[in-house]
Amino acid sequence: QVQLVQSGAEVKEPGASLKVSCKASGNTFTSYVFHWVRQAPGQRLEWMGAIKAGNGNTYYSQNFQGRGTITRDTSATTAYMELSSLRSEDTAVYYCVRELEDSFKFDDWGQGTLVTVSS
Amino acid sequence: QSALSQPASVSGSPGQSITISCTGTSSDVGGNNFASWYQQHPGEAPKLIIHAVSNRPSGVSNRFSGSKSGNTASLTISGLQVEDEADYYCSSYTSSNTYVFGTGTKVTVL
Repeated sequence: QVQLVQSGAEVKEPGASLKVSCKASGNTFTSYVFHWVRQAPGQRLEWMGAIKAGNGNTYYSQNFQGRGTITRDTSATTAYMELSSLRSEDTAVYYCVRELEDSFKFDDWGQGTLVTVSS
Repeated sequence: QSALSQPASVSGSPGQSITISCTGTSSDVGGNNFASWYQQHPGEAPKLIIHAVSNRPSGVSNRFSGSKSGNTASLTISGLQVEDEADYYCSSYTSSNTYVFGTGTKVTVL
């Protein structure tokens, strides 16, 4: 069974940068698309962006274009999400989500990483 | 990209049926057949319950069903059970090669 294991909770100061990792176990890492979805406390899910693990193509929500970067390391079967210029509104649980390429469904979710932005 | 519109809350008694709507535009829900639904219990990650408008993953109860008309997708829960009490989110692929989620609906079992 494929699992997605994310890095641990983080506390950041406003203006700092964040990098969250998502380690995927199982086969055929490059057959998948890895998405990042966040959820602020008591709020809705928000799609941030995605990367096709095979060719590295990335897609971003307008809300994160320019401030967010999604990468992957195929040898480590790990996807990463970086967010810069953090502000208090970025306080949220960040989920890594796996989609079999062109299936258009979010089958597997990581456990979530709580990020708190506070001075 | 604006969030898809869902009712904030829906409630029903055990055994009843409820329907949750998810309204978007011709650039998302109305423009393809890739609407999905996710169930989220408190403190847990969301779980896929419907994909491609009306398809259920294996292991998901057949009490959950999906449909679409125009720019609105719908999730129906039949034979409502206590364990169905959760937050539900719709999602759609968009014409910009991105995804958008709905505003979320809290389902309460009376």
